Amino acid sequence: QQQVKQSPQSLIVQKGGISIINCAYENTAFDYFPWYQQFPGKGPALLIAIRPDVSEKKEGRFTISFNKSAKQFSLHIMDSQPGDSATYFCAASTSGTYKYIFGTGTRLKVLA
Amino acid sequence: DAGITQSPRHKVTETGTPVTLRCHQTENHRYMYWYRQDPGHGLRLIHYSYGVKDTDKGEVSDGYSVSRSKTEDFLLTLESATSSQTSVYFCAISVGPQDTEAFFGQGTRLTVV
Repeated sequence: QQQVKQSPQSLIVQKGGISIINCAYENTAFDYFPWYQQFPGKGPALLIAIRPDVSEKKEGRFTISFNKSAKQFSLHIMDSQPGDSATYFCAASTSGTYKYIFGTGTRLKVLA
Repeated sequence: DAGITQSPRHKVTETGTPVTLRCHQTENHRYMYWYRQDPGHGLRLIHYSYGVKDTDKGEVSDGYSVSRSKTEDFLLTLESATSSQTSVYFCAISVGPQDTEAFFGQGTRLTVV
C-alpha cells in the first residue's frame, strides 16, 4: 500500500520557470520528509529535507513547502535549469524506525 | 564520506537460477537497506538490517533473502529468479547525525530472462 502519493508523474518546464512537485501522506507518525534527486544511471541523492515543525525550508533554488494539516508537502524549483532534468522522489519516515517510504517519482525535463 | 559499492553493476540471469547481489560499505554504518526501483512504483523496500545478523522484511520481501555477517556487507539473494524480479536494485545506508539520511549506491541492473 502506497503511503506517499506523488504527482505529477512527469513534468516539462521551460528554462527559468518554476517546477512544482507535490506529495501527500497518510501516516501522521511521519516526522521527516526528504526529497531525492536521481540522474540516469545513478542512485538517488538527498536534495533537501524538512521536519513538520516548520512550514517551509529553502536551500538555494529549492524550497520545500509543508502543510501539516493537509498532510501534504511540495518541492519548488525556482529558475529551473536544464541541469535540473532528473527524476525526483519524495519520501517520509518516522524517527526511530529508520525506514523510508518513497513516492513513485516525478520525471522532470527542463527545456533549454 | 560514506561510500557504497554494489556488485555486480549489471547482470543477466536465467529464470530459476539463484542470484546474489552484494553491497559493501566503507564505514561502520548500522542501518543498511535493499530497495528495488521499477517504473511507476518508485523505490520499494525489500529488506533492511539494523546490525550484524539483525534483519527484517520490507514491503516487497517475497522471493528475496538477505544476510549480514559483517557490518560492512549486506547481501541480497534471489533464491530462484523470476522475470518479475527484473529491476534495478539499490543498496542504501543511513547516515547523518541521527541516521536520518538514506545514502544510496549506484545500483545493480538485473535482468531475468
